[in-house]
Amino acid sequence: QQQVKQSPQSLIVQKGGISIINCAYENTAFDYFPWYQQFPGKGPALLIAIRPDVSEKKEGRFTISFNKSAKQFSLHIMDSQPGDSATYFCAASSKAAGNKLTFGGGTRVLVKP
Amino acid sequence: DGGITQSPKYLFRKEGQNVTLSCEQNLNHDAMYWYRQDPGQGLRLIYYSQIVNDFQKGDIAEGYSVSREKKESFPLTVTSAQKNPTAFYLCASSNRLAGKSDTQYFGPGTRLTVL
Repeated sequence: QQQVKQSPQSLIVQKGGISIINCAYENTAFDYFPWYQQFPGKGPALLIAIRPDVSEKKEGRFTISFNKSAKQFSLHIMDSQPGDSATYFCAASSKAAGNKLTFGGGTRVLVKP
Repeated sequence: DGGITQSPKYLFRKEGQNVTLSCEQNLNHDAMYWYRQDPGQGLRLIYYSQIVNDFQKGDIAEGYSVSREKKESFPLTVTSAQKNPTAFYLCASSNRLAGKSDTQYFGPGTRLTVL
């Protein structure tokens, strides 16, 4: 049972372009939606996170858009750089379930110079 | 230097052996977690602990065991009952005190290979 569905599985974008990754969830109890960035052989690192009381959050070149009614959220990477090449995971958790994170399947992003 | 450490970085196991993966944090976090990551896939929760001397099963606990005798330590044992243990294992921690962030911070991981 996949509670968080992530797409696409992989993405190629030119330097300076916009990378867009989408996630959809089923559990309406989820109240915390983080995005993690993972480089090969390393642990994931928190990139940006949002709660359902806001529809958008921006930190530098990274923006989360959140649509509560559609149960969808997305990550936009503006002005993509080769150093952004990594695997990105969306996740969701709820306080009611002990803040356990449920992860999407991941998106491998390659930024071409 | 605060953070989460995992050891060893690489571990090789013969079939039928139990192995223990170490996870230590000096962030004074209450909660600790173990995840398994298979190639090209997302992370799946094995076990988690919200307080010392207490832990709960995650989504794929079969063949694994944990202990939480100290706040800073949460070792994971991969037993011989785990049918397909070859994977990348990640430990995480978070501060679950009231008013604190839900953010989970991850260690660098241990890659386990069964020979």
